[in-house]
Amino acid sequence: GAGVSQSPSNKVTEKGKDVELRCDPISGHTALYWYRQSLGQGLEFLIYFQGNSAPDKSGLPSDRFSAERTGGSVSTLTIQRTQQEDSAVYLCASSLTSGLANEQFFGPGTRLTVL
Amino acid sequence: AQKITQTQPGMFVQEKEAVTLDCTYDTSDPSYGLFWYKQPSSGEMIFLIYQGSYDQQNATEGRYSLNFQKARKSANLVISASQLGDSAMYFCAMRGAGTSYGKLTFGQGTILTVHP
Repeated sequence: GAGVSQSPSNKVTEKGKDVELRCDPISGHTALYWYRQSLGQGLEFLIYFQGNSAPDKSGLPSDRFSAERTGGSVSTLTIQRTQQEDSAVYLCASSLTSGLANEQFFGPGTRLTVL
Repeated sequence: AQKITQTQPGMFVQEKEAVTLDCTYDTSDPSYGLFWYKQPSSGEMIFLIYQGSYDQQNATEGRYSLNFQKARKSANLVISASQLGDSAMYFCAMRGAGTSYGKLTFGQGTILTVHP
C-alpha cells in the first residue's frame, strides 16, 4: 500500500510569497500531523488533525501559518508572506487513530527554501 | 510540558557490536508513550519501537530493544549486532495523554556511525 506522500518535494520561493504544501496520508488514517525540521530547531510539532478538526494548533509559529484538512484525507499547510526563517523541511505524518500507542508514519517531506 | 533529552550528539560502533543510544524524558502526564525513529541520510523517518508508560516489560522489535527505566525517566535504545545500514540519525520521542495528546515531542537526535 502507498505510504504518506507530500508535494512538492522541493520548493524554492522568494521572501514575501505564499506557499502551499500538500500531504496525502495513508488511506484510512484518521489522524494527521505536521512537523518541521530545521538545523537550528530540530523537529518541531506544528499542528495535528483528527478527522477534519484540529484539536492542537499550538505549534504553528505565527498567524502566517495555517492548515486545513478536507474529507478526512488530504491536508494543506499554507505559509503566507514567507520569511527566510521559514526555510526547513516540512514533514507530514499520519496514524490510524490518535491513540497514544499508534505509531506515526512519516512522508518524505517538502524542503522549503526561502530566498 | 514535555521534554526529551538525547545527550549523545554522535556515537560510533563497530559492525556486529551492540550500541546503546541514551534518552531521558520529563513529563507531568501519568500516561505516555515513548518512540524511537531512525532517519537515514535519505531523510525519511522510520518508526523503530514503542514503549508505553504502563507496559511491564521492555519493548523489543528484532534487533532493537528499549531499556525502559521509569523511575529514572530513561528510555534507551539498544541495537544489537549493528549493521552498516544502521548508520543514521536516531530520534527519541514521546507523546503524553494530557493536553499535548496528539503531538510527538522529539529529542535533538544522535548520529550513529557503524564502522566495518
